[in-house]
Amino acid sequence: QSALTQPRSVSGSPGQSITISCSGTSSDVGGYNYVSWYQQRPGKAPRLMIYDVSKRPSGVPDRFFGSKSGNTASLAISGLQAEDEADYYCSSYAGTYTWLFGGGTRLTVL
Amino acid sequence: QVQLVQSGAEVKKPGASVRVSCKTSGYTFKNHGVTWVRQAPGQGLEWLGWISAYNGNRKFAQTLQGRATMTTDTFTSTAYLELRSLRSDDTAVYFCARENIIHFDFWGPGTQVTVSS
Repeated sequence: QSALTQPRSVSGSPGQSITISCSGTSSDVGGYNYVSWYQQRPGKAPRLMIYDVSKRPSGVPDRFFGSKSGNTASLAISGLQAEDEADYYCSSYAGTYTWLFGGGTRLTVL
Repeated sequence: QVQLVQSGAEVKKPGASVRVSCKTSGYTFKNHGVTWVRQAPGQGLEWLGWISAYNGNRKFAQTLQGRATMTTDTFTSTAYLELRSLRSDDTAVYFCARENIIHFDFWGPGTQVTVSS
C-alpha cells in the first residue's frame, strides 16, 4: 500500500485561508469515512485535529474544517494564525485494522 | 487525563533487537487499541501496526516484513513494540497512540531509536 498523496508545502498570510489535499484510492480514502488529520510541530508528537473526515475533537478551533470528495480528502484552515505553522498529515483507514498516512504538508504562515 | 508514557532513547547495533514500551493511564486500557507509528529523520509518519488491548488481535504494516512483535500487558496497561534484525533505516522516533474508533486521539511523546555500528 502506498502512502496518501499530499502537497509538500502550502503557505498563507495571517487571516487568509488555505486548503491541504490528501489523495488516495477507493481502497482507503474513498472507501471509508475514516480520514483524520494530525498537526505536528517540530520535535513534538502529532496532535489529532480532525477525525471521521470532518469531526473536530474538543479544543480544536472551528477554523479547521475537514471534507472529502471521492478519493480525495481536504483540510481547510481559515483565519490563519502564526500558531498554525506546522506539518500536517492526513491518515486513512484502509480496512482490516490497517492505516495509511500521507507524506505530510509543511504549512508556512508568511 | 489520558496519558501515554514511552520508554527512553535506545542506541543499537545493526542486527540487534529493541523493545519500546508505552505505559498508558487515565482510561480503561482494554477498551481501546494501540497503534505504533514511526518517523525517520526529516521524514513523514509511517504506520507500523495496531494491537487490540481487548483480545490481542494485531495487524502489521507489510514494510516490517515479520521483524516486529506487538504485545500488551493488561495488568500494567502497557503496550510493547519489539523490532528485530535492526537496520540503519530503522533509525526513527517511534510513537505509540491510543486508537479510538479508527482514529488516534492521544499520542506518546516518542522514543528515539538509533541504529548505528
